[in-house]
Amino acid sequence: AQTVTQSQPEMSVQEAETVTLSCTYDTSESNYYLFWYKQPPSRQMILVIRQEAYKQQNATENRFSVNFQKAAKSFSLKISDSQLGDTAMYFCAFMKDLAYSGAGSYQLTFGKGTKLSVIP
Amino acid sequence: DTAVSQTPKYLVTQMGNDKSIKCEQNLGHDTMYWYKQDSKKFLKIMFSYNNKELIINETVPNRFSPKSPDKAHLNLHINSLELGDSAVYFCASSQGGDRGPGDNYGYTFGSGTRLTVV
Repeated sequence: AQTVTQSQPEMSVQEAETVTLSCTYDTSESNYYLFWYKQPPSRQMILVIRQEAYKQQNATENRFSVNFQKAAKSFSLKISDSQLGDTAMYFCAFMKDLAYSGAGSYQLTFGKGTKLSVIP
Repeated sequence: DTAVSQTPKYLVTQMGNDKSIKCEQNLGHDTMYWYKQDSKKFLKIMFSYNNKELIINETVPNRFSPKSPDKAHLNLHINSLELGDSAVYFCASSQGGDRGPGDNYGYTFGSGTRLTVV
């Protein structure tokens, strides 16, 4: 079974500064996907960024980028130029690649989340 | 157009009642899911259906019964509600199955149903 660990229950950052959220995971799979989801107070789950494990290049989406270290099983999220709208819970999530793992469904295994507050 | 819609958004009910949460997706996805988010915000999968067939049934009390009349709908029925069932329940869909998780890794979440049992 896979586990996802987010060791920072809460973090804060000044507006316009940079913050990094940590995530580690444990799996015996060699092919999988990793995600960061954002959940603002509206409770909608919003996909921030994704990474395919077979890709060495770190994913980036505008102000959001990841540092993916496959050997270390680490997948951190960096938010640059933090904005007030970034205030939310952030969840790291793992998904097996069924093309390699056999039948099943593309379920997500989530970490416990990091509550990020952006301070004006 | 709402891609994954859940109804109701809020549900307050007494212990012992039976209630249902409905979910519909108009994305043509093959797989639908129910996730539970507890009071500490932890999200965990409950069920997964692929083309109306149950794929995953995590350790969930049998008071919870999913029903999928067609691949666009996955409803959650809960019998004999208990205080501990209070949570936010999310429906989601993905392309899933043999066709892979899709270009955006398929997941679209509904807006959640906050269930409060009193």
